Amino acid sequence: AQSVTQLGSHVSVSEGALVLLRCNYSSSVPPYLFWYVQYPNQGLQLLLKYTTGATLVKGINGFEAEFKKSETSFHLTKPSAHMSDAAEYFCAVSGGSARQLTFGSGTQLTVLP
Amino acid sequence: SQTIHQWPATLVQPVGSPLSLECTVEGTSNPNLYWYRQAAGRGLQLLFYSVGIGQISSEVPQNLSASRPQDRQFILSSKKLLLSDSGFYLCASRATNEKLFFGSGTQLSVL
Repeated sequence: AQSVTQLGSHVSVSEGALVLLRCNYSSSVPPYLFWYVQYPNQGLQLLLKYTTGATLVKGINGFEAEFKKSETSFHLTKPSAHMSDAAEYFCAVSGGSARQLTFGSGTQLTVLP
Repeated sequence: SQTIHQWPATLVQPVGSPLSLECTVEGTSNPNLYWYRQAAGRGLQLLFYSVGIGQISSEVPQNLSASRPQDRQFILSSKKLLLSDSGFYLCASRATNEKLFFGSGTQLSVL
């Protein structure tokens, strides 16, 4: 069984401030982890993913996430928020070869001028 | 809030057989509906989306089709499955000014 918990359904940051979106997971097998973003009126877009190898993963638009097995976390960060980062962000876990994808409930990011 | 019912949870089908995956939505009306697919270790790929009854947009050419016979019903179909159709299929729903909600997904294995 697997699950994903995203802490904070709404996060607000000022433009230029650090973005930190939290994600914790549980999985009975080594996980594949994903962050997706959905901009208004668009479909989901893959930001980044972790499968194996380096635990710090860099994605598009300056985002990155670090897989921490001991903390069962995969938090998403960006050093400096931009207005265009305002969107809904989803963390997801896939149980390796089992492939089933489980999503968190999402975090709405607001960027304040 | 919305609830999405998606079935079956797992499905094993032979190559060349037909497919029908159903998704129904409760708790909202006139949502935008989506079918996504994830192949092993990769991200989600948007297959179809619908903004209303009978309105289907396809994002990628493929062996699959979608239909929306009712406001809260979205069906993914194929006349003849291919091996490459194996994957995890996810239905999603989004009503105006609401969050995106996901079904529990269907793991399809084509043998």
